[in-house]
Amino acid sequence: GENVEQHPSTLSVQEGDSAVIKCTYSDSASNYFPWYKQELGKGPQLIIDIRSNVGEKKDQRIAVTLNKTAKHFSLHITETQPEDSAVYFCAASMGNQGGKLIFGQGTELSVKP
Amino acid sequence: DSGVTQTPKHLITATGQRVTLRCSPRSGDLSVYWYQQSLDQGLQFLIQYYNGEERAKGNILERFSAQQFPDLHSELNLSSLELGDSALYFCASSVRGGEKLFFGSGTQLSVL
Repeated sequence: GENVEQHPSTLSVQEGDSAVIKCTYSDSASNYFPWYKQELGKGPQLIIDIRSNVGEKKDQRIAVTLNKTAKHFSLHITETQPEDSAVYFCAASMGNQGGKLIFGQGTELSVKP
Repeated sequence: DSGVTQTPKHLITATGQRVTLRCSPRSGDLSVYWYQQSLDQGLQFLIQYYNGEERAKGNILERFSAQQFPDLHSELNLSSLELGDSALYFCASSVRGGEKLFFGSGTQLSVL
């Protein structure tokens, strides 16, 4: 079945710096790749997603890139702020074919003021 | 607020007991998913329902069962509870399946 590997497990940056989190997936049939942010005591919140027919997507300070050949996708956060501190999860699924969403192990991002 | 409602927020029970977790999906969403989150296992997919029918199954134990009712709310039943079942259980919903899942705030289950 699908497996998603996420790195790094922890990431500490200074406020204003960029942060990059990387994921790889195993099932070449996966075609939907969302990213979730989870704050303490809350459920995961969808922050951005990308489908396999798109190589890059950007939403303000957040961007996601996808390399289908290498089965890699990455989250880029620019101009980080203390409120970006949270655990970030990548995930993969077969999209609207009803496939289950498989999550990576998470990255704890700490943005130091 | 994601629009997904989970009750109760906290549940404390003893080994061997049975509990029921409830989820109300966002208005209009037909798919409901259950996930288990623990420190060592991360977010593990348990089961998915679409419009009342089971759509996909993950690492769900035989002691666990779920269903989705005609009004689309879902319940996750956990029986013969063990210490290792202590975890955060999330429900999520989406319009169809597999995309844009919205998560509830979870039920923290503690088995003592």
